[in-house]
Amino acid sequence: DQQVKQNSPSLSVQEGRISILNCDYTNSMFDYFLWYKKYPAEGPTFLISISSIKDKNEDGRFTVFLNKSAKHLSLHIVPSQPGDSAVYFCAAGNTDKLIFGTGTRLQVFP
Amino acid sequence: EAGVAQSPRYKIIEKRQSVAFWCNPISGHATLYWYQQILGQGPKLLIQFQNNGVVDDSQLPKDRFSAERLKGVDSTLKIQPAKLEDSAVYLCASSLDISGTGGYEQYFGPGTRLTVT
Repeated sequence: DQQVKQNSPSLSVQEGRISILNCDYTNSMFDYFLWYKKYPAEGPTFLISISSIKDKNEDGRFTVFLNKSAKHLSLHIVPSQPGDSAVYFCAAGNTDKLIFGTGTRLQVFP
Repeated sequence: EAGVAQSPRYKIIEKRQSVAFWCNPISGHATLYWYQQILGQGPKLLIQFQNNGVVDDSQLPKDRFSAERLKGVDSTLKIQPAKLEDSAVYLCASSLDISGTGGYEQYFGPGTRLTVT
């Protein structure tokens, strides 16, 4: 049973445009959500998080939106840069344990 | 601040051999995690330590995998004997003990890529 799903395995976006990565979850007990970025041969790097009491959190070019009724979160990157090309994982948890999605590979082209 | 350290970075072994991975978490982080990441999948938790005690090892294949965290700092993960399906990246992560305050950020090391032939 996959509790955290990233249904798009890949996304290609032009530099300067918006990248939108999506994530769905099934467990209503999750109260904290995170996005990680992973480059090849490196471990995942924490990017941004949001708690269930909020519906939006912003950090520079990165914004995470949470829709609890739809059990859906999304990561917006504006403007997208070539250095953003990586695999992005969403994760969800309700204690100090996280469940990860399968990742979306983002490619930002010039 | 130094990040999570792991070694070795790469390891190739034959099936039925044994292997061990080492992790040194971020200084002051009480909680340490070992994950297995198979190609094309997200990280899957194997075991979680709080200081030097095991909090959750429900997904650790205990017939072949073992882990310890002596003195509540460094940790080792061992596989004996290895199977072909153990080929994966083994990630170590750590986090502050922030029970009840939210903020479950985990910080990952670079991982060890294991190939079992």
